Amino acid sequence: DIQMTQSPSTLSASVGDRVTITCRASQSINSYLAWYQQRPGKAPKVLIYSASSLESEVPSRFGGSESGTEFTLTISNLQPDDFATYYCQQYFRFPLSFGGGTKVEIK
Amino acid sequence: EVQLLESGGGLVQPGGSLRLSCAAPGSTFNKYAMSWVRQAPGKGLEWVATITEGGATTYYADSVKGRFTISRDNSGNTLYLQMSSLRVEDTAVYYCTRPRHLQLVHRCDYWGQGTLVTVSS
Repeated sequence: DIQMTQSPSTLSASVGDRVTITCRASQSINSYLAWYQQRPGKAPKVLIYSASSLESEVPSRFGGSESGTEFTLTISNLQPDDFATYYCQQYFRFPLSFGGGTKVEIK
Repeated sequence: EVQLLESGGGLVQPGGSLRLSCAAPGSTFNKYAMSWVRQAPGKGLEWVATITEGGATTYYADSVKGRFTISRDNSGNTLYLQMSSLRVEDTAVYYCTRPRHLQLVHRCDYWGQGTLVTVSS
């Protein structure tokens, strides 16, 4: 099984900050990595797919990158709407697996 | 617009059973693999099960294998999750999900609103 290790679990930041969230896969997943945003009481929403492709209508301040089995979600110029929880997910093989989540809080 | 409408959640005793449904209006339901993903209160996301577009093949998380059954009715555009031998740790919001593309191993592009299952005595 592929384990997805996400860090940090919580991140405190201010509006306008640049933040970085990391997800490490336990083995190669060939860029089959998605990032989701989840607001309280709502279903998750895809932000990034294939490690670095921006989903349509997602602001360009969101970006994804990869280096081997390490994947990064970067949010530039953090906006009030961005305070939420973020998850990564590998969709390379079954069982599908998610990272543990990163809650972005207001500092 | 893709709509996924879950129903069937509720309170059930440990050891009990429950069947969740996910209605997916539209003519393309039978073209896509479908999945269930759950989220325990205050916790992260956990994949539960996936079924192929025709329903012939299913995949399960180890935590539910042998207790849960995913199925679908393509004529009625509905996905199901039959849950039995329920445990307290199965308490979660259960989401029905679908990919945008015709992929078996997929990301979850579309989500329902979720249905809450509470397992408690």
